[in-house]
Amino acid sequence: TQLLEQSPQFLSIQEGENLTVYCNSSSVFSSLQWYRQEPGEGPVLLVTVVTGGEVKKLKRLTFQFGDARKDSSLHITAAQPGDTGLYLCAGAMYTNAGKSTFGDGTTLTVKP
Amino acid sequence: GAGVSQSPSNKVTEKGKDVELRCDPISGHTALYWYRQSLGQGLEFLIYFQGNSAPDKSGLPSDRFSAERTGGSVSTLTIQRTQQEDSAVYLCASSLDRGGVNTQYFGPGTRLTVL
Repeated sequence: TQLLEQSPQFLSIQEGENLTVYCNSSSVFSSLQWYRQEPGEGPVLLVTVVTGGEVKKLKRLTFQFGDARKDSSLHITAAQPGDTGLYLCAGAMYTNAGKSTFGDGTTLTVKP
Repeated sequence: GAGVSQSPSNKVTEKGKDVELRCDPISGHTALYWYRQSLGQGLEFLIYFQGNSAPDKSGLPSDRFSAERTGGSVSTLTIQRTQQEDSAVYLCASSLDRGGVNTQYFGPGTRLTVL
């Protein structure tokens, strides 16, 4: 059973388009992280969200944590080729906060 | 050096040989994690350390896999009698694991190829 479902699995868009990636679960998380990974490198932290309903912005990226802390979304405005990569969400649960559950990732390709 | 480091960056070995992968976490981070990632796939959890103890070894694929952490710092992942299906990128991460906010910082990974 996959605790964190990410969608879509693959996304290919043109430069300048907007997109949203979703991370959904039936479990409640104490915190949720989004990472971006480029080929040949380890995942790099983008954001941590903790409070239900929280919205964080990082330049053209907007992250939202669901009110019930069961889901999250990542919205990219005016995507650029440099946004290409594997986007991963990870949630830590109150009952086992030392271990995070990772989604399977969304592979984003932004074509120039 | 503020980040997580891993060595070697690449390892090519023959089937049946043993390999050791090393992880140096961020100084002061109490938690350390090992993951495995196949090409284009998500992360497969292997093992988690809190200090020198491993509360969760549930992800280790078989008894050929083992890991230890000494001095609350460096960790070594050992794979005995390697098989071709062990080929993957092995990622290490560390975190402060503070109050349920488990933000992990990753190393660059070790790419293991078993011939």
